[in-house]
Amino acid sequence: GIQVEQSPPDLILQEGANSTLRCNFSDSVNNLQWFHQNPWGQLINLFYIPSGTKQNGRLSATTVATERYSLLYISSSQTTDSGVYFCAVIAGGTSYGKLTFGQGTILTVHP
Amino acid sequence: GAGVSQSPSNKVTEKGKDVELRCDPISGHTALYWYRQRLGQGLEFLIYFQGNSAPDKSGLPSDRFSAERTGESVSTLTIQRTQQEDSAVYLCASSLYGGGQETQYFGPGTRLLVL
Repeated sequence: GIQVEQSPPDLILQEGANSTLRCNFSDSVNNLQWFHQNPWGQLINLFYIPSGTKQNGRLSATTVATERYSLLYISSSQTTDSGVYFCAVIAGGTSYGKLTFGQGTILTVHP
Repeated sequence: GAGVSQSPSNKVTEKGKDVELRCDPISGHTALYWYRQRLGQGLEFLIYFQGNSAPDKSGLPSDRFSAERTGESVSTLTIQRTQQEDSAVYLCASSLYGGGQETQYFGPGTRLLVL
């Protein structure tokens, strides 16, 4: 099946810093989602982005489907950005929504 | 509107007991998914329901696990004769049609601890 690798596994920042999280996948995809899992375990949808670029406030994401990677950018980080960031994909040609998740990037933002 | 809801939030049980976990999808969503998240890990797919089609059970780890869904509403995930390795967070998600090109929305999860 499709493999999803996220990097870095851990990231520690000072408040106000910028960061880039990466997601590599091993095959073509027709769905890619970024999630933030907060300290209470809730998975929050950030982006649905199988290709192209999207922005939402301080967060933006770019997926280059032909090169099989996606990037999540966090600018001017805040302590509330702390948590685990997951990339999840659905392999191209799959007719329904069985998401395959990466192992996540643990982000800690210090005040 | 209301998001995906799950109950109970937390469940502590003894090894060998059966447990039932419940999921209420977003109203109007025809597709429902169960995932499991072990401590420090990403999510693993368990089972998928779409409308009245036969569910995809390919992710269920053993025959102790089963799930049901009535129409396009509530789903229950049942774990029989629980084992300590079943301890995990069980998350439910729903989406509008179940196709591969739409957003899945997750509930808050049920944290299961098997002693």
